[in-house]
Amino acid sequence: QVQVVESGGGVVQPGTSLRLSCAASGFSFTSHGFHWVRQAPGKGLEWVATIWYDGSRQYYADSVKGRFTISRDDSKNVIYLQMNSLRAEDTTIYYCARDISHSALDLWGQGTLVSVSS
Amino acid sequence: QSALTQPASVSGSPGQSIAISCTGTSSDVGTHDHVSWYQHHPDQAPKLMIYNVDKRPSGVSSRFSGSKSGYTASLTISGLQAEDEADYYCSSFTSSSTTIFGGGTRLTVL
Repeated sequence: QVQVVESGGGVVQPGTSLRLSCAASGFSFTSHGFHWVRQAPGKGLEWVATIWYDGSRQYYADSVKGRFTISRDDSKNVIYLQMNSLRAEDTTIYYCARDISHSALDLWGQGTLVSVSS
Repeated sequence: QSALTQPASVSGSPGQSIAISCTGTSSDVGTHDHVSWYQHHPDQAPKLMIYNVDKRPSGVSSRFSGSKSGYTASLTISGLQAEDEADYYCSSFTSSSTTIFGGGTRLTVL
């Protein structure tokens, strides 16, 4: 089955870290770049990070640059989002999505919820 | 980087056609033909409806079409149906190789 499934969300305190995972299956993993996109309650979609199909390039939104790191493990077909120095404003649902052409995201997971609260 | 500009809401009656605009800058919509549109129903994953301005993924109804002129892209939905009621987002590839989304448009089918 062609799918991506996110995991790793939870409730954490401000200033702490969390690592999200995105497990892909049913397609050629190394042929695609991937993105993390988030949506805060009542807000719109916000792009977070991109990793190229070969892992050679990563790009980040200004709001997470220097705190978040996107990576991939091609041996496991998994995308990661390491989130450090978490803030209350990082509280949101995080989606993993497959890229088919210059930021066209055709396969999305159901999302994983991150809540940053003291 | 500011979000692409979309109207907050649009509405139409069943059978009618509506258009949603998406305005950007020379760093994104104005330069790159990599504009996408997503349909998002509550509690579901977003769905890609249009990519590269006017391409429809397999399985997406031909009632959905995309276009672009200058700094503004548009999504047109013809023959509105009740199930089209959702939030719609545009996005664009940018000159910094990043991605930018619009603020979203709530479509109401009257």
